[in-house]
Amino acid sequence: KAGVTQTPRYLIKTRGQQVTLSCSPISGHRSVSWYQQTPGQGLQFLFEYFSETQRNKGNFPGRFSGRQFSNSRSEMNVSTLELGDSALYLCASSINRGTNEKLFFGSGTQLSVL
Amino acid sequence: KNEVEQSPQNLTAQEGEFITINCSYSVGISALHWLQQHPGGGIVSLFMLSSGKKKHGRLIATINIQEKHSSLHITASHPRDSAVYICAGSNTGNQFYFGTGTSLTVIP
Repeated sequence: KAGVTQTPRYLIKTRGQQVTLSCSPISGHRSVSWYQQTPGQGLQFLFEYFSETQRNKGNFPGRFSGRQFSNSRSEMNVSTLELGDSALYLCASSINRGTNEKLFFGSGTQLSVL
Repeated sequence: KNEVEQSPQNLTAQEGEFITINCSYSVGISALHWLQQHPGGGIVSLFMLSSGKKKHGRLIATINIQEKHSSLHITASHPRDSAVYICAGSNTGNQFYFGTGTSLTVIP
């Protein structure tokens, strides 16, 4: 069974631009969650999607948004990029997520904002 | 103050030593997760537990709900155990609270 796939692996953008990251969950997994990891703040929860609906959102500005498609693949978008958005963005999938299931993480997208 | 605190922040051990990493939390959670992150970023979920104790190979995780405390133990440590270990609490609202991680280096 293929694992969680995130694309692209690396991305360089400039301030003010927008970026879209993609996450394909393990086949059969319906929940996808997104996380930001920085050296200063560590791992932080961004949001979680289940059956195309956002179920929960972390404490991030509205520039961070996401969506989930009918095949459970998810995208995350960051608009008007700031230098502080430079981070490793990780997604994780689980079967249902509603019962505190084990998470399976992708390798992440390393975003650098110049 | 973070909702989830880990200690120690950094840990160096000789190969073969018994290692303990501690995690305390101040928020209500329904499950406690232990994650392992190797250089390069990939994260692996080691354990998810809501009570008692779980064991997988040389790794043991325990949780005390009353004391809001969890520990991760590594027996007979090996250089390949070198990684960052992160504990995280999740609640029924699907919120995740992460510790800042413990960087473990096991020296041959």
